[in-house]
Amino acid sequence: ETGVTQSPTHLIKTRGQQVTLRCSSQSGHNTVSWYQQALGQGPQFIFQYYREEENGRGNFPPRFSGLQFPNYSSELNVNALELDDSALYLCASSPGQATGTEAFFGQGTRLTVV
Amino acid sequence: AQSVTQPDIHITVSEGASLELRCNYSYGATPYLFWYVQSPGQGLQLLLKYFSGDTLVQGIKGFEAEFKRSQSSFNLRKPSVHWSDAAEYFCAVGFNTNAGKSTFGDGTTLTVKP
Repeated sequence: ETGVTQSPTHLIKTRGQQVTLRCSSQSGHNTVSWYQQALGQGPQFIFQYYREEENGRGNFPPRFSGLQFPNYSSELNVNALELDDSALYLCASSPGQATGTEAFFGQGTRLTVV
Repeated sequence: AQSVTQPDIHITVSEGASLELRCNYSYGATPYLFWYVQSPGQGLQLLLKYFSGDTLVQGIKGFEAEFKRSQSSFNLRKPSVHWSDAAEYFCAVGFNTNAGKSTFGDGTTLTVKP
């Protein structure tokens, strides 16, 4: 069984640019959640996708957007990058919405904005 | 809005000693609580979770946690720490029942002395 994989593992972008991060969910999982983890802080919920629809969003501006594809993989897009967007971006997949459903995290993408 | 507080930023224990990591939460309904561990450069791994029932829950790697509603706490314990337990530990409270939508604390870094 393949776990949650994220790509790329690291990247460096310039302020004002746009970036796309990718996540392949674990086999059989239809729900993907994205988190931002700034240095020295806990992960912060960005949004979740369930069966290709956004299913909840945290306190992030609209320049953070996402997609989920029919195979349940997902993308996180960030426009107009700011220095404060530098963080580890984590993707988590889960097999559904039922009580007790566990989320499985990928290794993350380390984004540095210069 | 829900919140999670981990009062101890950094804890150092000797190998073989017992461990308790504190977690306090604020949530208006029945909480769904989790403890995760993160090693450097790694994603988050679920140690244990509480949804209902027995307030003492057992997890992987010999960890346990006790839910105390009256104290709004969910402290993590281990009777004998191993050097491989050195990592960062996060407590989280879930939105409704969905583990993919969670509010995390800022973590406690555990150092293990030989």
